[in-house]
Amino acid sequence: KAGVTQTPRYLIKTRGQQVTLSCSPISGHRSVSWYQQTPGQGLQFLFEYFSETQRNKGNFPGRFSGRQFSNSRSEMNVSTLELGDSALYLCASSLDIAGVGFFGPGTRLTVL
Amino acid sequence: ILNVEQSPQSLHVQEGDSTNFTCSFPSSNFYALHWYRWETAKSPEALFVMTLNGDEKKKGRISATLNTKEGYSYLYIKGSQPEDSATYLCASASGGSYIPTFGRGTSLIVHP
Repeated sequence: KAGVTQTPRYLIKTRGQQVTLSCSPISGHRSVSWYQQTPGQGLQFLFEYFSETQRNKGNFPGRFSGRQFSNSRSEMNVSTLELGDSALYLCASSLDIAGVGFFGPGTRLTVL
Repeated sequence: ILNVEQSPQSLHVQEGDSTNFTCSFPSSNFYALHWYRWETAKSPEALFVMTLNGDEKKKGRISATLNTKEGYSYLYIKGSQPEDSATYLCASASGGSYIPTFGRGTSLIVHP
């Protein structure tokens, strides 16, 4: 069974631009969660989608948004990028809401 | 305890040593406790999920215990090997939230 995939793996953007990251969950998994990791910080929860609906949201500004498609693939969008958005963005898929998460390899975003 | 805290932050041991780490979490409205292993350049890998007070889980040389009443979990590694070198993350779903909150991790380095 294929694991969680994330694209792109690396991304360089400049301040003010927007970016879209993609996550394809394990087949059959309906929940996708997104996390941000910055140096010195633990994984910070962004949001969780289940059956195309956002079920939970972390404490991030409205510039961070996401969506989930009918095939459970999820995208995360960050608008008006700031230097502090430079981070590793991980997604995790699970069968159910807040279940055991299987993580993807992450997207390393650098904002210049 | 309002946040998930892990100690120690880092640990250096010699091959063959046994070691343990601590994860402290809010004990109220407990739902689940997750342990992950995160090796450099790889995705976090789920080790255990525990939901009941007194739970003990084992996977090879690694085991974990859970005390939901006092809000802590221990992860033990018996006879550490260099391939055990990784960051060990715990995540607690408690304090009224089903979403796992991650600690900052314990970085383990096992010297041959």
